[in-house]
Amino acid sequence: GQNIDQPTEMTATEGAIVQINCTYQTSGFNGLFWYQQHAGEAPTFLSYNVLDGLEEKGRFSSFLSRSKGYSYLLLKELQMKDSASYLCAVRDTGGSYIPTFGRGTSLIVHP
Amino acid sequence: DVKVTQSSRYLVKRTGEKVFLECVQDMDHENMFWYRQDPGLGLRLIYFSYDVKMKEKGDIPEGYSVSREKKERFSLILESASTNQTSMYLCASSLSGQERETQYFGPGTRLLVL
Repeated sequence: GQNIDQPTEMTATEGAIVQINCTYQTSGFNGLFWYQQHAGEAPTFLSYNVLDGLEEKGRFSSFLSRSKGYSYLLLKELQMKDSASYLCAVRDTGGSYIPTFGRGTSLIVHP
Repeated sequence: DVKVTQSSRYLVKRTGEKVFLECVQDMDHENMFWYRQDPGLGLRLIYFSYDVKMKEKGDIPEGYSVSREKKERFSLILESASTNQTSMYLCASSLSGQERETQYFGPGTRLLVL
């Protein structure tokens, strides 16, 4: 299994940049996902990393370092609608290949 | 777009009742999943299924069972509901054979057991 750690809550200002970190421990890494979940809604896919480096997608970027067991989600030009929970999920090579989710980071964007 | 639907958004049941939560996906996905989500605990996998009539236990299967008679439908059953099963239940599906195997989630069912 995996041990996934991410901050419980973060706050940021509209227009700013925020970085949400995720650290993990796994015996055989096979991909890391980031999902966004607005209150009362379903999680939706944001990004997937399996190789080291930065994946950029508009205002959102995701970074992975496999050797450090570390990923971050970078949100630029924050908007009020970015207030949500951000879930880090890690898949390993053993067993079922199903990702294990971290507890999520609640991001509050204020004016 | 993939669509995953769940039979109810809100449900109130009494302790001891048998509860059925239904999930349907319309994209011919092989994999389907049931999670529960609780504050401070995140998403926890209850059961999953790779194919029709196949089921595998997740991390917290106790008190639950599942049924997958058709590819598009995956049901979660609480044989005798208890108050500690009050939670948000999320169904998801994914396509096999893709490296990403992104999961698509339904809107969730918020279950209250009294």
